[in-house]
Amino acid sequence: GNSVTQMEGPVTLSEEAFLTINCTYTATGYPSLFWYVQYPGEGLQLLLKATKADDKGSNKGFEATYRKETTSFHLEKGSVQVSDSAVYFCALSHGGSQGNLIFGKGTKLSVKP
Amino acid sequence: NAGVMQNPRHLVRRRGQEARLRCSPMKGHSHVYWYRQLPEEGLKFMVYLQKENIIDESGMPKERFSAEFPKEGPSILRIQQVVRGDSAAYFCASSPNRGTNTEAFFGQGTRLTVV
Repeated sequence: GNSVTQMEGPVTLSEEAFLTINCTYTATGYPSLFWYVQYPGEGLQLLLKATKADDKGSNKGFEATYRKETTSFHLEKGSVQVSDSAVYFCALSHGGSQGNLIFGKGTKLSVKP
Repeated sequence: NAGVMQNPRHLVRRRGQEARLRCSPMKGHSHVYWYRQLPEEGLKFMVYLQKENIIDESGMPKERFSAEFPKEGPSILRIQQVVRGDSAAYFCASSPNRGTNTEAFFGQGTRLTVV
């Protein structure tokens, strides 16, 4: 069945460090891929998305490229800030509405000043 | 345009009681999705509803859980005879239609604690 696997956390970085959070997926067909961010005590916010192979989603300095050949959608940011501390979820939609999503377990990021 | 509103934000119930979680979708949205987030886990899809209809309930536990989205009013997720294992954060999302390029927006969640 369809699934999402993302790297285990927590990840602790110093401010201005480079961030990579790995995400790979298993799916039939051509899913859309997403990264969501959850700040402490809050709901999920869509960070970026890509709907077809080789698409690059980007937002707030974060980027992820839909790699069909490696079934991956790794999240990257060149210089993290303390305010980026949150839990990041990789997700896919498997042909239905974008509201029907399969999520990874989440990766907690802590950025120290 | 207010976002997806969930209430209450926090709910404490004793074992055996009923929990009712409410979700008011964004204005103009007629599609609602419920998810459950267990501690240290990702979100798991529970149910997808359109006004007055359950479209997909493949993620709903077979017993004690039910959901509705009436013509008027919020969507309700109801858990009867709660047990400790029901303690989790329950998130609702809404979208205006079912298109694959249509973004769903999430509420802030209801954190249910069963004592």
